[in-house]
Amino acid sequence: ELKVEQNPLFLSMQEGKNYTIYCNYSTTSDRLYWYRQDPGKSLESLFVLLSNGAVKQEGRLMASLDTKARLSTLHITAAVHDLSATYFCAVDMSGYALNFGKGTSLLVTP
Amino acid sequence: EAQVTQNPRYLITVTGKKLTVTCSQNMNHEYMSWYRQDPGLGLRQIYYSMNVEVTDKGDVPEGYKVSRKEKRNFPLILESPSPNQTSLYFCASSLGGGLYGYTFGSGTRLTVV
Repeated sequence: ELKVEQNPLFLSMQEGKNYTIYCNYSTTSDRLYWYRQDPGKSLESLFVLLSNGAVKQEGRLMASLDTKARLSTLHITAAVHDLSATYFCAVDMSGYALNFGKGTSLLVTP
Repeated sequence: EAQVTQNPRYLITVTGKKLTVTCSQNMNHEYMSWYRQDPGLGLRQIYYSMNVEVTDKGDVPEGYKVSRKEKRNFPLILESPSPNQTSLYFCASSLGGGLYGYTFGSGTRLTVV
């Protein structure tokens, strides 16, 4: 059974600081996705990572994938309040089922 | 605009009263799926469909039915809803087995009393 573990689950950080969210998974896969969810809202796709060593950046967020270590990271640079949300990683082993982590609830404070 | 549309957004119903949550996508995606999201349990897959007339169970299919008669639609049917099906439901679709990512609908918050 594929397990996807995110840490931390809760993160409070000051504006302007940097931080990294980690996503570990238990079974070999080269498809990993990051999503953002605001309270009561849908899941917004942030990054699609499809190969070992993949790195993608959008604004203050950068995601990477190390398939050998079964690890993906979501790095936040110079956080701003608008980044406050819950971030999920999800692993796709089969092409038809996403296995989600529990999510990281991020709060950015002044 | 490319999107996945779910209806209704909110629904309160009574135990045992059959209901259908609709999902429609306008992107010509072969793959569609349903997930439920619960506090502490995260997002779990209910059913998925690889194409028209092809459906299969996900992790938590009990109490749900689906059908895929047309490529664009993938309704979720609760024949006899129970309170433990109170949840936030999401429909998702993708092209090419997730190679281009998955697009999620806006969600349906279901309460069964």
